[in-house]
Amino acid sequence: QKEVEQDPGPLSVPEGAIVSLNCTYSNSAFQYFMWYRQYSRKGPELLMYTYSSGNKEDGRFTAQVDKSSKYISLFIRDSQPSDSATYLCAMSATSSTLGRLYFGRGTQLTVWP
Amino acid sequence: DVKVTQSSRYLVKRTGEKVFLECVQDMDHENMFWYRQDPGLGLRLIYFSYDVKMKEKGDIPEGYSVSREKKERFSLILESASTNQTSMYLCASSPRSGVVEQYFGPGTRLTVT
Repeated sequence: QKEVEQDPGPLSVPEGAIVSLNCTYSNSAFQYFMWYRQYSRKGPELLMYTYSSGNKEDGRFTAQVDKSSKYISLFIRDSQPSDSATYLCAMSATSSTLGRLYFGRGTQLTVWP
Repeated sequence: DVKVTQSSRYLVKRTGEKVFLECVQDMDHENMFWYRQDPGLGLRLIYFSYDVKMKEKGDIPEGYSVSREKKERFSLILESASTNQTSMYLCASSPRSGVVEQYFGPGTRLTVT
């Protein structure tokens, strides 16, 4: 079993829809949780960063972490065609010197006008 | 802004050739990483380095080696390229402590024929 599981989709929604992206994980030591966005033919870019449990909001994006269920989510409100990308979750046990991240496989999202 | 650059965006090599992929970062980061990204498999860690001349194997090091002679530069070497090494290769860097997020380069699309 992979340490981080993410449904690869693809997910296709109309403009204005609320999008929910999710990951589950098995390592209870994970404390740092991230969402990266990757546009076609580009490298991933950090979108959201959360430490431990709880919610974090940034504009139309909300990241949720439920450590008791080992489940993280990214919600996109009022989705736009420019949100079309692959979204990868990533997590880390500590801010250790080695800095290794564990990634999900990524979910491909298309928002159509 | 953090900048991670990779020597080539697209590369075509023949089976058996020795291939060098170069990555340079300009933010004085201690940690550097090489991943490959394949459809359905997500990001897989090949090697990483947490200091000059230091290296650690990731999840799929077979068929690859790395070199880090200077802090800002991390090279991935395919000793004898094979067709199953056709992939997108992504380099990333991160600071040693504090923030755990990784900054990615634009990727190199390598085709081995």
